[in-house]
Amino acid sequence: RKEVEQDPGPFNVPEGATVAFNCTYSNSASQSFFWYRQDCRKEPKLLMSVYSSGNEDGRFTAQLNRASQYISLLIRDSKLSDSATYLCVVNSGGGYNKLIFGAGTRLAVHP
Amino acid sequence: NAGVTQTPKFRVLKTGQSMTLLCAQDMNHEYMYWYRQDPGMGLRLIHYSVGEGTTAKGEVPDGYNVSRLKKQNFLLGLESAAPSQTSVYFCASEVAGGQNEQFFGPGTRLTVL
Repeated sequence: RKEVEQDPGPFNVPEGATVAFNCTYSNSASQSFFWYRQDCRKEPKLLMSVYSSGNEDGRFTAQLNRASQYISLLIRDSKLSDSATYLCVVNSGGGYNKLIFGAGTRLAVHP
Repeated sequence: NAGVTQTPKFRVLKTGQSMTLLCAQDMNHEYMYWYRQDPGMGLRLIHYSVGEGTTAKGEVPDGYNVSRLKKQNFLLGLESAAPSQTSVYFCASEVAGGQNEQFFGPGTRLTVL
């Protein structure tokens, strides 16, 4: 079983749609959780951290369920510019910040 | 600030050749990382460094060596390249603490024939 699992997609949605991505992780000792965004042939960039209480940044909402070891990302009012691959990232715990990356979920927003 | 830069951007090697990938950051970050990214897989950690003069193995270190002689630079070496090392290599840096955002360089696309 992969340490971080994501549906690879692609998710094809029209502009203005609401789309949700899910991610599960296997290490119950993980303490930090993130969503990174990666555009085609570019480097990953932090989209948002995920906090236990859930957090929102504009059109983006992240949720964490520690009991189920499950993370979600909700994008409202999708824009063409949201087209990218979204990486679920989990800290493995331990003495340094070893990040475990999911393989990503691809989103394509069309007019 | 340039952030994190990587050289070269592209490279084609023949099996058995050697090369060094250079990563440089101007953010005064203590931690630096080398990852590889292959299709259908998440980024995998090759080696990392928590400070100048220190390095440690990550998840997939075989066939690679690293050095961190200066705080701002992290070098990744391939002594004898193999086709299995064809990949996109990303360097990242992070302020000390181990719980913070990692900043990535633009990547190096390496093909080993």
